[in-house]
Amino acid sequence: QVQLAESGGGVVQPGRSLRLSCAASGFTFSSYAIHWVRQPPGRGLEWVAVISSDGINKFYTDSVKGRFTISRDNSKNTLYLQMDSLRTEDTAVYYCARAISGTYRITDYWGQGTLVTVSA
Amino acid sequence: ERVMTQSPATLSVSPGERATLSCRASQTIGSNLAWYQQKPGQAPRLLISGASTRATAIPARFSGSGSGTEFTLTISSLQSEDFAVYYCQQYNNWPLTFGGGTKVEIK
Repeated sequence: QVQLAESGGGVVQPGRSLRLSCAASGFTFSSYAIHWVRQPPGRGLEWVAVISSDGINKFYTDSVKGRFTISRDNSKNTLYLQMDSLRTEDTAVYYCARAISGTYRITDYWGQGTLVTVSA
Repeated sequence: ERVMTQSPATLSVSPGERATLSCRASQTIGSNLAWYQQKPGQAPRLLISGASTRATAIPARFSGSGSGTEFTLTISSLQSEDFAVYYCQQYNNWPLTFGGGTKVEIK
């Protein structure tokens, strides 16, 4: 069965960096685009970034452009999110989510999320 | 950026009743709209894409309609497991954007 498992969250000071990982199993990872979506505590969903199946094409929301980098290692079935220059407003649960085959834009399976807290 | 506005913020419904949730886009998005359900402590689950196409294993009591800027999610007869928060998301343009959500609670 399709599984996505995020890790790497924690408490970090403003201005510091953190790298999240998303380990995938149960499907051919290299055939699917994958997203990061975040959710601040008690609030709604915010799309963060997506990467194509081959890792060439990447799109980001404006608030993270230049600070966050999405990448993937298809040999390890793993997605990453490198987060630099973190701000308090980046505090959220971060989910990875698989895009439906043949499209970048609609997600079907999601992980359970990892909490990132940016605080002094 | 396409701004997605959902209404109402909270909907109080009795089990067995019909629930109608609305989603409006700030500019036209065609039929490029998805609906997700999220229960407390869980990840979102895809219900509908293409404004009206149910995802795999989604019960027929969930239906979606609309195009352009106005969309509706209807739950024909609410079951206990349907009380949750529902989000619409447009995928017509980058960045992808979600609505603020509608919480469906037990009346």
